[in-house]
Amino acid sequence: RKEVEQDPGPFNVPEGATVAFNCTYSNSASQSFFWYRQDCRKEPKLLMSVYSSGNEDGRFTAQLNRASQYISLLIRDSKLSDSATYLCVVNIYDRGSTLGRLYFGRGTQLTVWP
Amino acid sequence: DTEVTQTPKHLVMGMTNKKSLKCEQHMGHRAMYWYKQKAKKPPELMFVYSYEKLSINESVPSRFSPECPNSSLLNLHLHALQPEDSALYLCASSQDSSPLHFGNGTRLTVT
Repeated sequence: RKEVEQDPGPFNVPEGATVAFNCTYSNSASQSFFWYRQDCRKEPKLLMSVYSSGNEDGRFTAQLNRASQYISLLIRDSKLSDSATYLCVVNIYDRGSTLGRLYFGRGTQLTVWP
Repeated sequence: DTEVTQTPKHLVMGMTNKKSLKCEQHMGHRAMYWYKQKAKKPPELMFVYSYEKLSINESVPSRFSPECPNSSLLNLHLHALQPEDSALYLCASSQDSSPLHFGNGTRLTVT
C-alpha cells in the first residue's frame, strides 16, 4: 500500500475555474504535510505547507483532516500559469528522530486552458 | 533561482563509466537528500544525510555511493550503472521539520 495516494488526473479546466485536488495518506504517524508544484522537466517547488487549521495563500487553500488522513488543495480563479503537476507530500518521522522521510504522491496534472 | 545548486545539469554516461553528481547549499541546512525521479513518477527517496552522517539509505544498490564531505556539499558517485538508472536526480536540503528545498536536478542518461 502506498504511503500517499493521489488522483493523477489530468484535470483540464478553463481560466477562472476553481479546481480541487485530494490526497490521502496511510500512516497516522505522519507529522507534516505539504503541497509542491512541479513544472515539466523542472524540480519540485514548495507551494505551501498544510496546517490542521487549514491555511490560505492568495488563490490557494490547503486543508488537512487528520481523522480521515486526507489533504486537499483548492485553487480559485485558475490562471494559465497554474498549469503544472501538483504533488502531495507527507513527512513521517522515525521514532525518536527529528529526521523525517518525505513521501510524495504520484502528482496530479493540471492544465488550464484559455 | 534555486538556493540548492546541482552540477552537472545533464550527464550521459556508459555502463562502465564512473561519474559523480554534485550538490551544494549555503543555507546552513543540516539535512541533505538525494531523490531519483523517473518520467511521470514522483520523486523517490534514495539517501538522507543528517549532520554529515548517512541516516537513511532506502535500499539503494551499491552502484550508487553517496558522500557528504562537509555540511554544504553532497555528492553521489556513480559506477557501473544500468540504462534503467536513467532519471532526474534531485538533491534537496532542509532544516529540522522545514520543507525541502530542491536543486534543479541532474538529468542522467545511461547508454
